[in-house]
Order: sequence, then structure tokens, then C-alpha cells
Amino acid sequence: KAGVTQTPRYLIKTRGQQVTLSCSPISGHRSVSWYQQTPGQGLQFLFEYFSETQRNKGNFPGRFSGRQFSNSRSEMNVSTLELGDSALYLCASSLGLNTGELFFGEGSRLTVL
Amino acid sequence: GQQLNQSPQSMFIQEGEDVSMNCTSSSIFNTWLWYKQEPGEGPVLLIALYKAGELTSNGRLTAQFGITRKDSFLNISASIPSDVGIYFCAGTRNYGGSQGNLIFGKGTKLSVKP
Repeated sequence: KAGVTQTPRYLIKTRGQQVTLSCSPISGHRSVSWYQQTPGQGLQFLFEYFSETQRNKGNFPGRFSGRQFSNSRSEMNVSTLELGDSALYLCASSLGLNTGELFFGEGSRLTVL
Repeated sequence: GQQLNQSPQSMFIQEGEDVSMNCTSSSIFNTWLWYKQEPGEGPVLLIALYKAGELTSNGRLTAQFGITRKDSFLNISASIPSDVGIYFCAGTRNYGGSQGNLIFGKGTKLSVKP
């Protein structure tokens, strides 16, 4: 059974640009969550999608957005990039809701110059 | 907001030693989980605990759900070099129909000297 796949693995952008990250969940998993991981703040919840609907959203500015498609694949977008957006962005899928049992991808490491 | 206090922040131990780490919260959780993240990888679920007082093992790893429901402990016996990584605790009250209510600790970075 294939795991969670995230693309791209690494990317470098400059301030003001925008970026789109992609996530393919484990087959059969309908919940996809996104996290930002930085050395200082740790794992911070961005948002969660289930059946194409945003179920929950973390405390991030509106520059951060996401969506989920009918095949459960998800994308997140960050517009007007700032230096502080440099981080590892992790996608996680789960079979159910509320369980806390997440299956993470390897992440997309974004560097903003 | 809710926070999990995970300690220690880092550990540097000799191969073969036992390891203990813990996580505390001011809030009650219904589920405690422990994840491990190796360099260049995403976190991987090690153990999930669903009941106060529960003690669960996964190989050399043993975790406990504190009786007050405000803490959890993870022990690793006879550490080996591949135990290196960052261990995260996480807690949730299992409500609201969302995984977004899962709170993560800041992690314990484990280094093992052969």
C-alpha cells in the first residue's frame, strides 16, 4: 500500500512569489491535514480537508489556502511568500476523524530567499 | 491555547541505555499518541493510547496514558543507533470531527552514541 506522497520535495522561491504543494493520501483515506514544521514553532496545524470540505483551520493568515479534490488529493497554496514561510510542509492522511492517527508524507521543504 | 510540555528537549545517550521521556498538559486528553521523526522524513506513529492508565508496548517501546489524563510517558529499552530521531507526543480530545484538534509537543531529540 503506497504511503502519502508529497511533491515537490524541495523548492526555493523568492519573497513575493507564490507556491503550490501537492499531496496524494493513502488510498482510501479521505481526510488530509497540512502542517507547517519549523525548528522554533514545531508542528503547527494549517488546515484539514475531508470529502473536499475544509473541516478545520489553524491560526495562519489568509495567504495560506488549500483545497481537496474528489479523488482526495489535496493542494495547499501560499501566496506572497515571506522569509518566515521557509519551513517543512507536511501532509498527513487519516482513515477517520478525531483519532489523532495520522500518516505523514515526507514533506515539502520550502526555502524563501 | 492548549500546549503540551514535552521533556527533555534533547537526550544524548549511550547505546544500550534505557530512555524515558514525558509529556504533560494542563488539559485533559482522551487520546495520547507518540510519533517519531527521522531526518528527512515525516513523523511516524509509534503508539496510540486510548484509556487512562493504559500501558502499551511496541517492541522495545512502552508508553503509558497517565491516570490523570494530563500526561503520558514513553520509555525505550536497550537503545540502539536507529532509535535516533525526534519523538513527539500528541494529544486529542477526539471531538469536533477533525484531526485539527490534535496538539503536538515540541519534541525530544534523541541521539545515541554507539
